[in-house]
Formats: sequence, structure tokens, C-alpha cells
Amino acid sequence: GAVVSQHPSRVICKSGTSVKIECRSLDFQATTMFWYRQFPKQSLMLMATSNEGSKATYEQGVEKDKFLINHASLTLSTLTVTSAHPEDSSFYICSARDPWMDTEAFFGQGTRLTVV
Amino acid sequence: AQSVTQLDSQVPVFEEAPVELRCNYSSSVSVYLFWYVQYPNQGLQLLLKYLSGSTLVKGINGFEAEFNKSQTSFHLRKPSVHISDTAEYFCAVSEGNAGNMLTFGGGTRLMVKP
Repeated sequence: GAVVSQHPSRVICKSGTSVKIECRSLDFQATTMFWYRQFPKQSLMLMATSNEGSKATYEQGVEKDKFLINHASLTLSTLTVTSAHPEDSSFYICSARDPWMDTEAFFGQGTRLTVV
Repeated sequence: AQSVTQLDSQVPVFEEAPVELRCNYSSSVSVYLFWYVQYPNQGLQLLLKYLSGSTLVKGINGFEAEFNKSQTSFHLRKPSVHISDTAEYFCAVSEGNAGNMLTFGGGTRLMVKP
């Protein structure tokens, strides 16, 4: 199956700093990528849909100025958590859509963000 | 809009016993259905998926699920569980395209006891 690599897998940052998370499709071109967030002991919630070359579409309640998404190429989308606060601590996971093998979503390994 | 309900937040079961994890969905269009497993501090692993065709779907690790359109259900089953099956299980649906955004259920924690 298609491979999606997410980096870093874990990050600890100080409150007020920004953190960038990368999501790469390694062996296919992903026209669309999705970013999800999972709080402890909860389910995954879609944050935003990222389309290559255009602005991301954010779900209701997700602050677009806080969670900056860039999808500048067909193999890379980035999520930047700006001015992070402890309540942003969560598990962030991306998925990518392969339009030529559209049989499932391909997930990255996830990023555990801890803001101290 | 689609939604997914996993009726049981926790399911305790003894090793080698059968188990069923329930999932119901609602959608106004045709859907694609998935079950994922998440082990502690790890990402998601796809167990199985229903795209079309046979309503009984077999997945990895001895799991299977049956798509029931009339009951809008996609329950996950395993005839004999192992300690290593202890994990969080998520049912998910997508609309339009199988690789599209997913709506997840709340998750079911399967706890296998010796």
C-alpha cells in the first residue's frame, strides 16, 4: 500500500512557541491530505482538509490562524501549531488520498505534541 | 452529514472467548466503512474495510465484519481473542471516495483478560 510518513513522532515544546509537523506521501502524489487531532482517551476529529496549491478548509471550531496548514507540493503538507499552549497537547495524525488507488485513506504514524 | 456510533466504550472479555464490537452509522449517501486498531501510544492500523461486493469482510489478525445496509451497521467480530488484541478500536466511514475524509466513532476499548 501507499506510504505516508509523518515527522516528528514526538515533540515537546514550551508554551508560546510554534511547532511544525510534516506529512509526506512517499510513493504517490497526494492531491488531498487530511489533518486529525486526538485528545487523550478520545476519538479522532478532523481538523482540516488540505488541497495542494490552495487554502486549507478548516472544520468548525478549528482556528485557522493557530493551526497553519500548507500544502505546497503534491507530496508534502505541513501543520504548524502557532503560539502553542498546554491545551494544544494532543496526538495529531495526517492522512493522504491517492487518487489513483482510492481504496482507503493512508495514515501517517502520528505526532504526539506536549506543550509545557 | 455522516455520523458513527460505537455503542460500547469498553468491552472486557476473557482470552479465547469470542467478541463483537458494535458500530452503527448514518449517512444520506453510499459509504465506505473501515475498522482501525490503535495500540497505546501508536498510530492507526487498518483492520479491514468494506468498499463494495460481499457484505462479509475479512481482515487481519482474524477479524471480520459484516456490512448490514438495512440496519446501517458494520459490527466487528473475532471468534477467539488473544491478550495481544487489547487495544482501542475505531469504526470509521467516508463518503464519495474511499480515500476521503473519515468520520470516526468514539472508539471501543477491548480489554482481554487471561
